[in-house]
Amino acid sequence: DAGVIQSPRHEVTEMGQEVTLRCKPISGHNSLFWYRQTMMRGLELLIYFNNNVPIDDSGMPEDRFSAKMPNASFSTLKIQPSEPRDSAVYFCASSEWGDRGEKLFFGSGTQLSVL
Amino acid sequence: KNEVEQSPQNLTAQEGEFITINCSYSVGISALHWLQQHPGGGIVSLFMLSSGKKKHGRLIATINIQEKHSSLHITASHPRDSAVYICAVSKGGGSQGNLIFGKGTKLSVKP
Repeated sequence: DAGVIQSPRHEVTEMGQEVTLRCKPISGHNSLFWYRQTMMRGLELLIYFNNNVPIDDSGMPEDRFSAKMPNASFSTLKIQPSEPRDSAVYFCASSEWGDRGEKLFFGSGTQLSVL
Repeated sequence: KNEVEQSPQNLTAQEGEFITINCSYSVGISALHWLQQHPGGGIVSLFMLSSGKKKHGRLIATINIQEKHSSLHITASHPRDSAVYICAVSKGGGSQGNLIFGKGTKLSVKP
């Protein structure tokens, strides 16, 4: 398996533009997570899905952020409009929910820079 | 105060040394994770544990639930172990990926 695939690897945009980050989880995994990493705050959970249904979005910073999982093999994280403080590395991860040995598999991340 | 505290923040060791990284947490948890983030930025899950001890190669992770403390040990350290090691806890009530993260320990192993 190719692992968790994120795109793009790098995104540079101007303030006010819409940004869409994409994630393809490992086939067969039924849980998907979006995390954000900044120097100031470290890693934070933004939202997670189980069986394509959002379970907890309490980490989403504000209404400018939205996430969808239309099917088991694809998820998006959208920021509209983007702001410089959204600059961070965004990671997607997947796992098999319900397995007590549940292990997380991370994508390579998307480095977002909002100018 | 952060719910997950790691120490030390930075650690420099000579190749071959035994290394210990500590993690303390202040909330009830269902599991604790140790993650490794390489200089290139990629994150790998090393261990998930809810009690006792786990070993994988030169890495050993222990947890004491009563004391709310976990340690990650690296035996016979090597320069390729240089990375940021992150402790994270699952508060439970859902997926183990619902995590609260520590700030990480940056390890540098010199040859």
